[in-house]
Amino acid sequence: RKEVEQDPGPFNVPEGATVAFNCTYSNSASQSFFWYRQDCRKEPKLLMSVYSSGNEDGRFTAQLNRASQYISLLIRDSKLSDSATYLCVVNFKAAGNKLTFGGGTRVLVKP
Amino acid sequence: EAQVTQNPRYLITVTGKKLTVTCSQNMNHEYMSWYRQDPGLGLRQIYYSMNVEVTDKGDVPEGYKVSRKEKRNFPLILESPSPNQTSLYFCASNSIRVRDTEAFFGQGTRLTVV
Repeated sequence: RKEVEQDPGPFNVPEGATVAFNCTYSNSASQSFFWYRQDCRKEPKLLMSVYSSGNEDGRFTAQLNRASQYISLLIRDSKLSDSATYLCVVNFKAAGNKLTFGGGTRVLVKP
Repeated sequence: EAQVTQNPRYLITVTGKKLTVTCSQNMNHEYMSWYRQDPGLGLRQIYYSMNVEVTDKGDVPEGYKVSRKEKRNFPLILESPSPNQTSLYFCASNSIRVRDTEAFFGQGTRLTVV
């Protein structure tokens, strides 16, 4: 089983709609969680950290469920510019601050 | 401006010809790492370094070497490249002193080994 798993998609989303997707992780001792965005073959960039209480940044909402070992990302009012691959990232600090990446979820927002 | 700089951006080489991909960061980060990204496999860590002269293997270290003689530089060395090392490579750095630290990535190096 992969340490961090994501549905690869693509999620085809009409402009203005809401899309949500999850990421599961296998290591219960994982300590930090992030969503990164990656545009086609460019470098990943931090979208948002994920906190235990859940957090929101504009149209983006991230949730963490430690009991079920998953994190989620919800995008409201999707824009064409939201089309990208969203990478779930888990940091297990006891493993030397190593970031473990999911395979990414591809989102395509269409007019 | 905070940045991670990789060079070259694109490289085509032949099997067995040693090459080095450079990586430099200007944020005084302790932690640096190299990843390769392949279709369907996501980002996989090759090597990482927690500080000067401290390096360790990631998930896919075979065929690669690294060094960390200075804090800002973390070159990736392919002593004898093979076609299965054709990939997109990213260098990244982050602080280990800050909780929930963001990782900064270089722009990537697209390597083709023929």
